[in-house]
Amino acid sequence: ETGVTQTPRHLVMGMTNKKSLKCEQHLGHNAMYWYKQSAKKPLELMFVYNFKEQTENNSVPSRFSPECPNSSHLFLHLHTLQPEDSALYLCASSQGGTAGGQETQYFGPGTRLLVL
Amino acid sequence: QKEVEQNSGPLSVPEGAIASLNCTYSDRGSQSFFWYRQYSGKSPELIMFIYSNGDKEDGRFTAQLNKASQYVSLLIRDSQPSDSATYLCAVNKENYGQNFVFGPGTRLSVLP
Repeated sequence: ETGVTQTPRHLVMGMTNKKSLKCEQHLGHNAMYWYKQSAKKPLELMFVYNFKEQTENNSVPSRFSPECPNSSHLFLHLHTLQPEDSALYLCASSQGGTAGGQETQYFGPGTRLLVL
Repeated sequence: QKEVEQNSGPLSVPEGAIASLNCTYSDRGSQSFFWYRQYSGKSPELIMFIYSNGDKEDGRFTAQLNKASQYVSLLIRDSQPSDSATYLCAVNKENYGQNFVFGPGTRLSVLP
């Protein structure tokens, strides 16, 4: 398995459900990201983890809860979502750290989420 | 002013022509710049990155960066119908960090 993988690829959930999105990277990277992509809107950065530490949280509602147990895995826990949360959720990874060098992000295939 | 701006398009060019995609950014301290291609229903795919002023060529693609004008562009030579996609410009605002901002994308249509 190569690159960045995400599961599930498609998800339909009701507003009272709890579900989790999973991301795994096989690139030896140390930074991982969650993005939201809605129709006709730019990619929105949600969360950033660098060496398992959360470094960015762009005012994301608490109904989205990230978890990063190690540098290879990233989860997004979802609960009591709203229909406007329906979107493509993308995971990405990059080299990470602050020791030098430039960051380049690589994206997973995404999870298409529909909230009913 | 939005942090990263692109013309939404669609930009239509005939097959074999040069497609020119433009991007401007507001944070003068931005350090690195990226072009991604995104086909409908797919995730963004990295095409090129550029860090220094000037041109960078990779096959049919050339990225151009002008930090003084806060402008980055992507040229696609000999455009093919398979190049039809949305092209996203992304900026990392930090030199050794992970502060990425994406533009809204330009939709390119290459006509056979």
